Amino acid sequence: DIQVTQSPSSLSASVGDTVTITCRASQAIRNDLAWYQQKSGKAPKRLISAASSLQSGVPSRFIGSGSGTEFHLTVISLQPEDFATYFCLQHNRYPWTFGQGTKVEIK
Amino acid sequence: QVQLQESGPGLVKPSGTLSLTCTVSGASISTCDWWTWVRQPPGKGLEWIGEIHHTGITNYNPSLKSHFTLSIDKSRSQFSLRLSSVTAADTAVYYCACLTADDYWGQGTLVTVSS
Repeated sequence: DIQVTQSPSSLSASVGDTVTITCRASQAIRNDLAWYQQKSGKAPKRLISAASSLQSGVPSRFIGSGSGTEFHLTVISLQPEDFATYFCLQHNRYPWTFGQGTKVEIK
Repeated sequence: QVQLQESGPGLVKPSGTLSLTCTVSGASISTCDWWTWVRQPPGKGLEWIGEIHHTGITNYNPSLKSHFTLSIDKSRSQFSLRLSSVTAADTAVYYCACLTADDYWGQGTLVTVSS
């Protein structure tokens, strides 16, 4: 299985801050990685596909980058509604695997 | 707008069998090439269980394969998950989803394994 290591597991930030979350794959996965946001008690919502393609309707402050084995999700100028848990998902090779998640909390 | 709704028992006894169904509405079940099941134990991360093509082809997570069976009923616009010999480790919120070009998720259903 491809292991996906996501970091940090949690972070505290203030409204207006810029934060970056990283996912590292145990082997190269081209750009077959998506980023999801999950709010408490809700289903995940995809923000980014193909490592850097913003989903329709997702604010442009969410930026995905990377390819191969290292990927980043950057949120520029955090807004109150951005405090949530974020997951990455590799879909290059079965079984698909998620990162462990990053909880973004209000400082 | 495609909508997914999971249904099934919320409580299953250890060693029993769990069956969950996902009903697709708002579009044909052929809208999505691969229908997926994902689970999330309380307070933990997401685990990909497997997927079924609208033609019936399946892909499973090998670490769970012997545990799960996926099926699809196009006439009812439903796809299903069957989990046998459940244990407490199978307690989770189970989501049905389409994770291909589009991104559709059910609201999730909590399944608790307990006597």
